[in-house]
Amino acid sequence: GNSVTQMEGPVTLSEEAFLTINCTYTATGYPSLFWYVQYPGEGLQLLLKATKADDKGSNKGFEATYRKETTSFHLEKGSVQVSDSAVYFCALTSISSGSARQLTFGSGTQLTVLP
Amino acid sequence: DSGVTQTPKHLITATGQRVTLRCSPRSGDLSVYWYQQSLDQGLQFLIQYYNGEERAKGNILERFSAQQFPDLHSELNLSSLELGDSALYFCASSIGGQGRDTIYFGEGSWLTVV
Repeated sequence: GNSVTQMEGPVTLSEEAFLTINCTYTATGYPSLFWYVQYPGEGLQLLLKATKADDKGSNKGFEATYRKETTSFHLEKGSVQVSDSAVYFCALTSISSGSARQLTFGSGTQLTVLP
Repeated sequence: DSGVTQTPKHLITATGQRVTLRCSPRSGDLSVYWYQQSLDQGLQFLIQYYNGEERAKGNILERFSAQQFPDLHSELNLSSLELGDSALYFCASSIGGQGRDTIYFGEGSWLTVV
């Protein structure tokens, strides 16, 4: 079946530090990959996505590249801000038996950015 | 704002009771999904509907049921509630039921069972 393994948290960084959150996956077929973010007390928001190998998703300074050879989709940002403090979820969709789609999520990584 | 609307935002109820959570998908989206987020289980897929019909089932308990109405809004019914059902319940929607379209989430309904 499908699964997503995320870097264990929590992660604490100083403002302007470089961020990497590792994500690897196992999936049948050709999955689409996503990063969602959950700010404190809020719902899930789509941060970025990539739908095929070597695609790079980017948004708000965050980037992730779909690496089929290493089955990875690591999230990076060159200079984090206090406002980036949130929980980040890596996720994938893949056609399963029955031709339905649903997201499979990683366990989430709590990021805290200190001023 | 994702365009997915969920009500109520917060709900406190007693064990053994029944509640209904409501979801309006984004305009034009035919698929609705329900997810449960709890501290011990993380984000779990419960069920998906596409244009009024059940499309996929995940880890949904028999005490829970859902439906999607002709106007495409959906309801998740939770009955015989237990303390362990306390969680954040998300509704999400997408244009289709397959392919590579993005799934957008609502802000969730916080359920506390006391």
